[in-house]
Amino acid sequence: GQNIDQPTEMTATEGAIVQINCTYQTSGFNGLFWYQQHAGEAPTFLSYNVLDGLEEKGRFSSFLSRSKGYSYLLLKELQMKDSASYLCAAGGYQKVTFGTGTKLQVIP
Amino acid sequence: EAGVVQSPRYKIIEKKQPVAFWCNPISGHNTLYWYLQNLGQGPELLIRYENEEAVDDSQLPKDRFSAERLKGVDSTLKIQPAELGDSAVYLCASSLETSGRENEQFFGPGTRLTVL
Repeated sequence: GQNIDQPTEMTATEGAIVQINCTYQTSGFNGLFWYQQHAGEAPTFLSYNVLDGLEEKGRFSSFLSRSKGYSYLLLKELQMKDSASYLCAAGGYQKVTFGTGTKLQVIP
Repeated sequence: EAGVVQSPRYKIIEKKQPVAFWCNPISGHNTLYWYLQNLGQGPELLIRYENEEAVDDSQLPKDRFSAERLKGVDSTLKIQPAELGDSAVYLCASSLETSGRENEQFFGPGTRLTVL
């Protein structure tokens, strides 16, 4: 089975940097997804890490350590529109299991 | 390119009534998922289809829930009879799966079900 743990809520200031951590325990792990979900909307894909290391995509970066079962999503130059839930999801055996999500509030 | 389409967007029913949700995935996507999402929680998989075959329905409460994906395109999820605890958002997603790995899923806007 899969077990995914991430903080429930975080608050950060506009223009700052925030790191959202995720730990996972899983069998047959293939890779780690991050999705963004604004309130009342569907999740949208942000990143997918298969190999260890940091992958950067604009203001968002995602990191994976397979040996530690650990990932983080790094958001730089925070904007008000980044206020959303961020879902960590582990893929394995052609199945993706989602965490409960981290609700990020960006304040002025 | 059109995204995943779901209908209805909202549904309010009384308990013990039946309800059905419809999903049209992105054209060419062979894999379709139905998820249930409660407020403040992540999506929980109900059923996964590869083409017209249900390959993972282990989390589907089969006493009241059923699903079908005729011709491997559109899908319908049904609840009969609905219970108060079924109130949630039902999300449909699709992806183009390749052997041995999971790919990005594209989600529809969801159907918000309220059971009174």
